[in-house]
Amino acid sequence: EAQVTQNPRYLITVTGKKLTVTCSQNMNHEYMSWYRQDPGLGLRQIYYSMNVEVTDKGDVPEGYKVSRKEKRNFPLILESPSPNQTSLYFCASSPVMTGGRKETQYFGPGTRLLVL
Amino acid sequence: QQQVKQSPQSLIVQKGGISIINCAYENTAFDYFPWYQQFPGKGPALLIAIRPDVSEKKEGRFTISFNKSAKQFSLHIMDSQPGDSATYFCAATPSGTYKYIFGTGTRLKVLA
Repeated sequence: EAQVTQNPRYLITVTGKKLTVTCSQNMNHEYMSWYRQDPGLGLRQIYYSMNVEVTDKGDVPEGYKVSRKEKRNFPLILESPSPNQTSLYFCASSPVMTGGRKETQYFGPGTRLLVL
Repeated sequence: QQQVKQSPQSLIVQKGGISIINCAYENTAFDYFPWYQQFPGKGPALLIAIRPDVSEKKEGRFTISFNKSAKQFSLHIMDSQPGDSATYFCAATPSGTYKYIFGTGTRLKVLA
């Protein structure tokens, strides 16, 4: 089944304790992206990646790191989480078409993070 | 900062009615305008998308209307059904980038 998977789905942590949220897709997509969803603010893009070793900042990258060492994986790293990073996080992927034509993004099921 | 403004924040429609959600963007060249549907506890899923070279796109009961000069685009759901009750997000991507800018969402409730 074609899908984007995220782990863990739920996470409670404390301020300053480094954590990683994994994202994996089995559709051979070049493009992957991370979003956070907060009430009243919609979805905001954190980082995106056009391919292996190519990453770029979205609108809210502060406090986050990403890496793209393999095509299928795009982990989100919080080196020193703070309470304002409590949110619902989504990973997404899509193919990159010739000429830059944008196509459907497929979203994972989400990771709910609580930072105490 | 580039923005996409979405309205209304919430919408209640009777079964069989028309649901209309509006989005407006500011002075930036965008080249892709997708709408996403999200059910509680799930990730967003693409509903329908339009590119700026057309003014309207229809897929079943869902239609996007696009007004390039007014920098506005809207989603129309015809014959709304209780199963359409969800949160809807509009989005836009600036030309030449793969950044996605989302609206703040509209929570739609269709009454049976």
